This record gives sequence, C-alpha cells and structure tokens, in this order.
Amino acid sequence: GAVVSQHPSWVICKSGTSVKIECRSLDFQATTMFWYRQFPKQSLMLMATSNEGSKATYEQGVEKDKFLINHASLTLSTLTVTSAHPEDSSFYICSARVAGWETQYFGPGTRLLVL
Amino acid sequence: SQQGEEDPQALSIQEGENATMNCSYKTSINNLQWYRQNSGRGLVHLILIRSNEREKHSGRLRVTLDTSKKSSSLLITASRAADTASYFCATDRGTGNQFYFGTGTSLTVIP
Repeated sequence: GAVVSQHPSWVICKSGTSVKIECRSLDFQATTMFWYRQFPKQSLMLMATSNEGSKATYEQGVEKDKFLINHASLTLSTLTVTSAHPEDSSFYICSARVAGWETQYFGPGTRLLVL
Repeated sequence: SQQGEEDPQALSIQEGENATMNCSYKTSINNLQWYRQNSGRGLVHLILIRSNEREKHSGRLRVTLDTSKKSSSLLITASRAADTASYFCATDRGTGNQFYFGTGTSLTVIP
C-alpha cells in the first residue's frame, strides 16, 4: 500500500517551453502533497506544500509563478515548470501524506532536462 | 541544506562491516526519519524515531536520537552490497507536515 506515482519519469524539452509533471497517490487519498527538487549529488530541497483545494505554500526562494502547483483532487497534484530554462534541469520528486500519518510516501521522481 | 548536515558525506566499507551515519539538525522536531535513495530513484522509508525516543531498531538498522544535541545516527550492521545507496535524514517539525532533509551520506559497500 501507500504507492505514489509520477509521470513522466523523464522529460527533455527546449528552453522556453512549459513542462507539466503529475503526482498521483494510487491507493490512498493524500491530504497533502509535497514537491522537492534534487540536483545531482545533493539533497532534496522542499519547494512547496500543496493541500487539496487550496493554494500551495512555497518555500522561501521558490518562485510561485515559475513553478505552478495544482492540487485538484485528493489523489493528484501537478507541478508545471513554466518557461523552463537549462538551470531548471533537475530531478523533481513528489511525496504524499495523509493527515495523522507520520510518514510521507515518495514518488519515483521525474528527471527534467532543458536544452 | 534546509535543515541540517550529515556526515560523512561519503563512506566506503567492505561487505560485512558496520556503517554509521550521523545527522545534525537545527530546530526542534516532532520526529526524525531516515530514507534510502538508490541512484536516480525515489526514496524508500527506513525508520522513524519520535522526539521522545532515544533508540530504535529495525532488522539490521539501529537509530539513535539525542534531542539535546540535535543529532541522530543510523547504524547499518553486517552491511551488504545491496545497501549501497544514499541515506538521508528528514526532520518533521510538527507544523505543516513538511520534511526537511539533511545533506545525505553516500554509502558504498564493496563486495
């Protein structure tokens, strides 16, 4: 149980385009979903916290107009990287949590390469 | 990192040896969790220790927590080649459910 999927698993795009990444909780309804970014050989940096039906809360230094988050249902959150640039190339990981659970469950990640 | 540091940054040991990784954090916490990440993959939850606990065991894993020093350690006993991965601690401050990750330790177990 507690499986989280991400789609796509990898994406290559041209600079200036927008890319959408989906995060789904497959066998539970997630009260909260989180988005992280991880650069090579570095740790996970929390980007934003997303609660179903409300606006996402962004961590300091993360541009909300650059990284659009939509949490339309209890099983789906999307991250859209708008006008992507090469410096946005990274590994993006989502996680999901149910209120009262102590643990977050992580998706397999999406590798984004912007050319 | 957003929360703290881990050391060592990299650790290389022979199969069968024990591996110890340390995590220090900055703020008070609700609990601390350890995760493993194989190269380029998602995270796998290993063990959770609550702020009122000092030590916890799970199979070959032993975790300690010292809230006065704001530090935790993860011990993997009798290591195996399959334990080769990056290990991260994550702290839950108890507000908003966010996790903040340490810098991670890259463990290599040589067969």
